[in-house]
Amino acid sequence: ETVMTQSPATLSVSPGERVTLSCRASQSVNSKLAWYQQKPGQIPRLLIYATSTRATGIPARFSGSGSGTEFTLTINSLQSEDFAIYYCQQYNDWPPLTFGGGTKVEIK
Amino acid sequence: EVQLMESGGGFVQPGGSLRLSCVASGFTFTNYAMSWVRQAPGKGLEWVSAIGGSRGGTYYADSVKGRFTISRDNSKNTLSLQMNSLRAEDTAIYYCAKFSDHYESDSYYLDAFDIWGQGTMVTVSS
Repeated sequence: ETVMTQSPATLSVSPGERVTLSCRASQSVNSKLAWYQQKPGQIPRLLIYATSTRATGIPARFSGSGSGTEFTLTINSLQSEDFAIYYCQQYNDWPPLTFGGGTKVEIK
Repeated sequence: EVQLMESGGGFVQPGGSLRLSCVASGFTFTNYAMSWVRQAPGKGLEWVSAIGGSRGGTYYADSVKGRFTISRDNSKNTLSLQMNSLRAEDTAIYYCAKFSDHYESDSYYLDAFDIWGQGTMVTVSS
C-alpha cells in the first residue's frame, strides 16, 4: 500500500499570501497524483490531477508540481474562498487508492 | 449537468446491513468506472470500493473486503454498495465518485475523481 503523508497538518495564513502544501508518497506514484479541496460542510472538489494539470474551472492561482514521491500544491495570492482542507491522493498503484491525511489552511 | 445523487444512508445497529445507491446523470454512465469514498466524522477521506465501467471489475479496501459488495446497473445509471456486518467504524459519510480517465498509446488509464455526489450518512451504533 502506498502511504500518503501531508504536511503540515494545519497552516495559518493571511489572505494574499502564497501557500505551499506538501504531500509525500511512501513509494513512487509516478505523476499519478491528485489534489482535492474540501470546504466545511461541502464535498471534495478536484483541483489538480496528473501532478500539475488543473481540473476544469480551477483558477490559475492553484498549481501543482513534483515527481516520484514528493509533490507540492501552491496557491498564489490566497483568497478568502481558499480556506479549506486540501487532500492529496495517489492513483498509480491500487487497490487501495490512498489519500493523505489533509492539510487545513486556516485564516491567520 | 453532470450529477451524482446518493441515497440509502441511515442509522443501523452493529451487525446490520444497508444498501446505498447512487444515480448518475449528465454523462454516459456505462463508459466510466465508479467508486465509493467515505469520510468519518471530522476525519479525512478513505477509499472504499471501485468498479469498472462496462467490464465491471471490482475492488475493495481491506477494511471492507468480504462485508461490502459494489455493483452497478448500467441500464438504470445506478451504482450500489451493499454493506453487511456493519461496525461502528463504518460510521461515515459515503460519497459516490466518478473516475476520470484517458487513453495513451492504446492503453486505458483511470485517473482522479472528477465528480462527487453530495454523500449519504451512515451511522452504526447500538
